[in-house]
Amino acid sequence: AQKVTQAQTEISVVEKEDVTLDCVYETRDTTYYLFWYKQPPSGELVFLIRRNSFDEQNEISGRYSWNFQKSTSSFNFTITASQVVDSAVYFCALSEAIKAAGNKLTFGGGTRVLVKP
Amino acid sequence: NAGVTQTPKFQVLKTGQSMTLQCAQDMNHEYMSWYRQDPGMGLRLIHYSVGAGITDQGEVPNGYNVSRSTTEDFPLRLLSAAPSQTSVYFCASSYIQSSYNSPLHFGNGTRLTVT
Repeated sequence: AQKVTQAQTEISVVEKEDVTLDCVYETRDTTYYLFWYKQPPSGELVFLIRRNSFDEQNEISGRYSWNFQKSTSSFNFTITASQVVDSAVYFCALSEAIKAAGNKLTFGGGTRVLVKP
Repeated sequence: NAGVTQTPKFQVLKTGQSMTLQCAQDMNHEYMSWYRQDPGMGLRLIHYSVGAGITDQGEVPNGYNVSRSTTEDFPLRLLSAAPSQTSVYFCASSYIQSSYNSPLHFGNGTRLTVT
């Protein structure tokens, strides 16, 4: 069975500080996909990034960066120079790479990020 | 584009009542699914469908029924509501692609309270 663990339930930072969200996953699949979603206070779920298990290249997109390490089964997410608008709950998720299974995601419990001005 | 549309946004039920949460998408996505979100537990998959006429159970299917008669619609039925079904429900859809999974597109959620 697949499992995603986000050990940090809540992180509070002051604006302009960097914040790193940890995600550890478990799967028996050799091919899988990892995702990060953001849920702002308004409640909708916003897709941030997708990575497949063969692509360990880390990525930077604006103030966001991702660190995928297959050896430690981790897919961490960093917000650089945080802003108040970054306040949200962030979810890490894992899916199987089986077409017949569609897009079944297993979510972590989420990490609430509070950025104070 | 409307994307994924869920109705209603809020609902209060009494124990034992039945209701249907509606979900419609206009992106011609093959895959549709229902999740429930509870504090500290993330989102858990209730049911999903990989195409019209095909449905399957997710992690927490008990107490819920689904059907998929068209590509666009995927309603979730609560036959006899229980307080344990108080939650926020999200419908999501995506394409099914052979090379990689496309991201899920989520509706805005339905907040259900069962008293």
